Amino acid sequence: SAVISQKPSRDICQRGTSLTIQCQVDSQVTMMFWYRQQPGQSLTLIATANQGSEATYESGFVIDKFPISRPNLTFSTLTVSNMSPEDSSIYLCSVALPDQPQHFGDGTRLSIL
Amino acid sequence: GNSVTQMEGPVTLSEEAFLTINCTYTATGYPSLFWYVQYPGEGLQLLLKATKADDKGSNKGFEATYRKETTSFHLEKGSVQVSDSAVYFCALIEQGGSEKLVFGKGTKLTVNP
Repeated sequence: SAVISQKPSRDICQRGTSLTIQCQVDSQVTMMFWYRQQPGQSLTLIATANQGSEATYESGFVIDKFPISRPNLTFSTLTVSNMSPEDSSIYLCSVALPDQPQHFGDGTRLSIL
Repeated sequence: GNSVTQMEGPVTLSEEAFLTINCTYTATGYPSLFWYVQYPGEGLQLLLKATKADDKGSNKGFEATYRKETTSFHLEKGSVQVSDSAVYFCALIEQGGSEKLVFGKGTKLTVNP
């Protein structure tokens, strides 16, 4: 299994600002994923982040709004840009290990005022 | 495309009651199926999984059987506890695919003493 640390665990931000969320894994992984969970809703995949290549975004999500970095095999960041109240959500990262189900971090609870 | 349909919640039970949460899926081929659990204020944890037809996943007294003929993966527990109160998500990964998880909407379970 893998231990996944996300920072910050929660934040309250002002409209129009940006926040960068960090995801650190205790082992090297090829595939990392970023999800959004809006209040009372299920998880929606934002993008897949593989080391050494551009992130692949799902329909409805764009790089300008959610830029992602993946500088090495144990770390990734997701930035939520130009935030509005509609961006208030839990943001989760997950990793895929060989022959194992995805493991999730505890999430970042983000509120926009 | 792939999709997961879960029983609508919320579900409220008394301690020691029998639990069933229905889950059906639509997918090409033979997807892998999962149940994840989200306890209040936490991220997602894998509860159990099944990777082929007729497989039974089990963990912490929970069980689910992969039924290809009915495209279902219903979650059951014979005697729930207060500590089982959480949101339960059914999910799939398509066979030979990109490791992207497709989630159901989640079912909130509350168990009262």
